[in-house]
Amino acid sequence: GDSVTQMEGPVTLSEEAFLTINCTYTATGYPSLFWYVQYPGEGLQLLLKATKADDKGSNKGFEATYRKETTSFHLEKGSVQVSDSAVYFCALSDEAQGAQKLVFGQGTRLTINP
Amino acid sequence: ETGVTQTPRHLVMGMTNKKSLKCEQHLGHNAMYWYKQSAKKPLELMFVYNFKEQTENNSVPSRFSPECPNSSHLFLHLHTLQPEDSALYLCASSQVTTGHNEQFFGPGTRLTVL
Repeated sequence: GDSVTQMEGPVTLSEEAFLTINCTYTATGYPSLFWYVQYPGEGLQLLLKATKADDKGSNKGFEATYRKETTSFHLEKGSVQVSDSAVYFCALSDEAQGAQKLVFGQGTRLTINP
Repeated sequence: ETGVTQTPRHLVMGMTNKKSLKCEQHLGHNAMYWYKQSAKKPLELMFVYNFKEQTENNSVPSRFSPECPNSSHLFLHLHTLQPEDSALYLCASSQVTTGHNEQFFGPGTRLTVL
């Protein structure tokens, strides 16, 4: 079945550092890819998405590019802030497995120190 | 109210109690979901309702009983739970169309089973 693998956390960075959180996937069909973020005490919020190869999703300074050749969707941000501290989830939705199903990675906890 | 709301936000119950979790979506969506989020485990999809009909039950024990009276409301009835059922229970909704499936999450109910 489909699966998503994220880099293991926790990740701790200083403010203004460059961030990369790796995400790779396996899918039967041609999936859409998502990054969700979960701030402390809250549910998941959609951060960005991409629906086809070479698409770049972006939001709040975060970016991720859909790379079909490497089956990856790595999350990047050029200069992180303390307020970016959260858990980040990579996910996919594959019509071949039923468009309603989101498959999540295990999450990566990010802590930004001032 | 906007988005997806869940009540209660916190719940402590004994193993012999019966309680219910409530979810309401104000987005006009036609699909709703229950997820379980445990520490150090990937997000687990429990149930999916599409146009009020249950379309997925991921081998969830019968002590969890979902109910979807209409497309805006979703309940999770709990009885004779076990301590290992303690987790964050997240509700989500989406508009099911062809293509990708963007889900919107509620803040969750933090459940503790004593």
